[in-house]
Amino acid sequence: DVKVTQSSRYLVKRTGEKVFLECVQDMDHENMFWYRQDPGLGLRLIYFSYDVKMKEKGDIPEGYSVSREKKERFSLILESASTNQTSMYLCASSLQVGSAGYTFGSGTRLTVV
Amino acid sequence: GENVEQHPSTLSVQEGDSAVIKCTYSDSASNYFPWYKQELGKRPQLIIDIRSNVGEKKDQRIAVTLNKTAKHFSLHITETQPEDSAVYFCAEGDTNFGNEKLTFGTGTRLTIIP
Repeated sequence: DVKVTQSSRYLVKRTGEKVFLECVQDMDHENMFWYRQDPGLGLRLIYFSYDVKMKEKGDIPEGYSVSREKKERFSLILESASTNQTSMYLCASSLQVGSAGYTFGSGTRLTVV
Repeated sequence: GENVEQHPSTLSVQEGDSAVIKCTYSDSASNYFPWYKQELGKRPQLIIDIRSNVGEKKDQRIAVTLNKTAKHFSLHITETQPEDSAVYFCAEGDTNFGNEKLTFGTGTRLTIIP
């Protein structure tokens, strides 16, 4: 089974802090994704990456950046956390989404106070 | 950009009855339509998917239908059981040209009433 591991299950950070959310997958997947999940809004794509050092903006990239220095690791960075970034953050990876879809991590619930 | 509308947002059905969730999409290039189930406190998991060259797919009590002309697809769950209670998300993607990202619907909270 593909494992997608997110480093923290719960995080509480202060407004203005720089926040790092880490995601690691162990199956050599090319594609990795960061979504945020909010009630009534579903899953919205923040950033994604098809390869090492490569990144593309999703639908809601403002206030976020990403880093993919190694194939297995995809980091989401909140440069200066704000209260409207309080959310559940889900990482996902895929080999070929059309063959087996995404495998999601367990999520990180971030609260910005 | 891509857009997926999902209805209803909440659905309650008696145990043993059927449940239907519908999604519409806007991008005519979309060719892959998965459904994910998210139980309370857990990660979303793929339960069934369909590609644009197929009109219907079944897996035991779950089926998905696709109408490409009308740009809508539906999830059908028959003989519902308490363990079917969860939030269900539809999604769409275009797997051509290496574009692997999915756009998700807003989710349907399904409650099975014993």
